[in-house]
Order: sequence, then C-alpha cells, then structure tokens
Amino acid sequence: KQEVTQIPAALSVPEGENLVLNCSFTDSAIYNLQWFRQDPGKGLTSLLLIQSSQREQTSGRLNASLDKSSGRSTLYIAASQPGDSATYLCSGGGADGLTFGKGTHLIIQP
Amino acid sequence: NAGVTQTPKFQVLKTGQSMTLQCAQDMNHEYMSWYRQDPGMGLRLIHYSVGAGITDQGEVPNGYNVSRSTTEDFPLRLLSAAPSQTSVYFCASSYSNPRNGYTFGSGTRLTVV
Repeated sequence: KQEVTQIPAALSVPEGENLVLNCSFTDSAIYNLQWFRQDPGKGLTSLLLIQSSQREQTSGRLNASLDKSSGRSTLYIAASQPGDSATYLCSGGGADGLTFGKGTHLIIQP
Repeated sequence: NAGVTQTPKFQVLKTGQSMTLQCAQDMNHEYMSWYRQDPGMGLRLIHYSVGAGITDQGEVPNGYNVSRSTTEDFPLRLLSAAPSQTSVYFCASSYSNPRNGYTFGSGTRLTVV
C-alpha cells in the first residue's frame, strides 16, 4: 500500500525567501507525482505533475523534482509571496487513484 | 468546458437519511474517483472507476456505493448517513492514461447530524 509523507507539516517564513517542501512515498511504482495547492475552504488546484519517466517540472516560480529510487519529491518555491500562503498537498498517482500526504500548511509573512 | 462539476456544494443530513452526491465531467475522462477529506486524516480514496461499468473500492468504501453507467457521471450514494460521514467530498477525473494527472471538482461539504 502506498504511503505518502510530507515534511514539514507547517512552515512560516518571511516574504521573499526561497523554500522547499518535502514529500516521500513508499512505493516507487507510481504513475506520477502531482502537487496541489488548497486554499482554506476551497478545492484542489493542480500545480505541477511529474510523470514517472520525468525528473522535474517547472512552472513560473515553482519547481518540482522526482527521485523514484529514493522515493522523494520536492517542491521548490522561489521568491515567496503572501499569496503563496496555502496548504500544499503531494500525491502519488496510480491506476486506482491518488494517495495523498497530509499536506504542508504554508504561511508567508508580509 | 466546465471540467469536473460537483453538486450540491453544501448539504446537511439527519442520521439514517440517504442521499447522492453528484459528479460530472465533460472532458471525456475514463478514470474517475471519490475522496473524502477530514482534519488530521488528509484525503482518502473512497471508490474509483476506470471506465463506464467498472468500479472498485478504495481505502474507505464502507457506507458508500457508486455506479458508472456513463463516462460523464460518477455519483456517490450514502445509503444510511452516519455522523462519521461528516466530511468534505471531492470527485476527480483523469484521461484514460492516469499518467496525465487528475482534475478535481470544487467539493461537497456534508454534515450529518
């Protein structure tokens, strides 16, 4: 059974800092690794998708990496802004659906 | 192109009542799934479907039924609601090859009293 762990559970940093969110998974036979953002009381917004054959994906200030051999993924946020405050969820994808970590609650202080 | 549409957005049920949470997608996605999100537990898979007529159980299927009569719709039925089913429910869909990732609906917030 796939298990996904996210570290840290919560993070508060001043605006402008670069930061890294960590995700680990137990089963390397994943189809993909997908990062989501969730604002309070809202749904999930897909940020980046890394397919199993890829090593990283970039979108604007976000960069996600995938290392299947070590069972790890990282989400790098450059030049953080108060609007980046949200909960970030990592998920391992398979044919039967997604397995989620419990998320990292991120606060960017103005 | 509406994506994944969930209805209703909010619902209050009494213990023992039944109801159906609706999920529809207009992207011709083969894969659809239901999740519940609870504080401290994260999102957990309830049921999933790999195509019309095919469904299977996820991590927490007890108390829920699903069917997939069309590619577009994947309703989730609560047969006899219990307070433990108070949660936020999300539906998601993916292309026939789930390597392309999932798109989520906006969720249904359900309270069972």
